[in-house]
Amino acid sequence: EAQVTQNPRYLITVTGKKLTVTCSQNMNHEYMSWYRQDPGLGLRQIYYSMNVEVTDKGDVPEGYKVSRKEKRNFPLILESPSPNQTSLYFCASSAYRDRGPYYGYTFGSGTRLTVV
Amino acid sequence: DQQVKQNSPSLSVQEGRISILNCDYTNSMFDYFLWYKKYPAEGPTFLISISSIKDKNEDGRFTVFLNKSAKHLSLHIVPSQPGDSAVYFCAASGGSNYKLTFGKGTLLTVNP
Repeated sequence: EAQVTQNPRYLITVTGKKLTVTCSQNMNHEYMSWYRQDPGLGLRQIYYSMNVEVTDKGDVPEGYKVSRKEKRNFPLILESPSPNQTSLYFCASSAYRDRGPYYGYTFGSGTRLTVV
Repeated sequence: DQQVKQNSPSLSVQEGRISILNCDYTNSMFDYFLWYKKYPAEGPTFLISISSIKDKNEDGRFTVFLNKSAKHLSLHIVPSQPGDSAVYFCAASGGSNYKLTFGKGTLLTVNP
């Protein structure tokens, strides 16, 4: 089954304790991205990756890091989490638009992060 | 600067009637538009899309209309069913980085 898998689904952590949210896709997609969803703000892009070893900032990158060492994996790293990073996070992937029918992103099921 | 706007946070309709969800955009570089549906505790799922070279795309009960001159698109669901109750996100794409810019979403409630 084609899917994007995020782990963990739920995470409660303390301020300053480094954490990593993993994301893996099995569709051989080139493009991967992280979004956060907050009430009243919709989905905002954190970081994206056009391909292996190619990453760039989205709209709200402060406090986050990413890496893309393998095509299938795109982990999100919070080096020193703060309460304002409490949010619902989604990983997404897609093929390039010029590779055929484009259906936008395939999203993971989300990671609900609480930083206390 | 909100480039994709969904001005109605919520919409309530009766089962069997038409649901119309609206979306406006400001960036003229957008050339592909998508609608996503999201249930609680799940990720958004692709529903229907439209290229800027078209003004209508239909898939079963779902139709998306695009008015480029007004920078406006709408999603029509006919007939609406209780299972359609979800948050609907409008998204737009354009340029070279394949980014999707999302609206804030509209919560659709279909009452039996």
